[in-house]
Amino acid sequence: QQQVKQSPQSLIVQKGGISIINCAYENTAFDYFPWYQQFPGKGPALLIAIRPDVSEKKEGRFTISFNKSAKQFSLHIMDSQPGDSATYFCAAWDNTNAGKSTFGDGTTLTVKP
Amino acid sequence: NAGVMQNPRHLVRRRGQEARLRCSPMKGHSHVYWYRQLPEEGLKFMVYLQKENIIDESGMPKERFSAEFPKEGPSILRIQQVVRGDSAAYFCASSFLNQETQYFGPGTRLLVL
Repeated sequence: QQQVKQSPQSLIVQKGGISIINCAYENTAFDYFPWYQQFPGKGPALLIAIRPDVSEKKEGRFTISFNKSAKQFSLHIMDSQPGDSATYFCAAWDNTNAGKSTFGDGTTLTVKP
Repeated sequence: NAGVMQNPRHLVRRRGQEARLRCSPMKGHSHVYWYRQLPEEGLKFMVYLQKENIIDESGMPKERFSAEFPKEGPSILRIQQVVRGDSAAYFCASSFLNQETQYFGPGTRLLVL
């Protein structure tokens, strides 16, 4: 049973475009939703995170949109740059099952110059 | 101000040998998490440890895998009698207390011949 479903698996965007990655979850006990960025050969790095009491969070070119009723959240990368080319993972954290983050399968983003 | 450290970064083992992966958490962090990432897949939770205690090992295979986090020294993920299916990247993350924000190490890439 996959608790966090991520799409698309891969994404190609032109420089300056908007990259959108979507995640859906099932467990309503999840209460913290981070996004991680991973470059080849490196470990994941926390990019931005949101709690379900807000519908949107923006940090620079990165925005998380959160729809609690639909149990969906998405990452938007505005003005995408070639340096944003990486694999992005959404995750969900359950405080009632603390210590375990459930990850999506990842989206490989390629930003073409 | 070192981050999470893992060694070795690359490990080659033949079938039937033992693999030992080490993780030193960030300074001041007492919570360690191990994840496995198969090629082209997301991160799968394996085990959550605090100093001298295993808190959640629900993601650990029942046989051949074990983990520890002693009072002194790094956390160790041990895989006995490795098989080719164990080939993967193993990531360690740490957090301060039991917080959702986890900081990942660079990973150990295990190749079983």
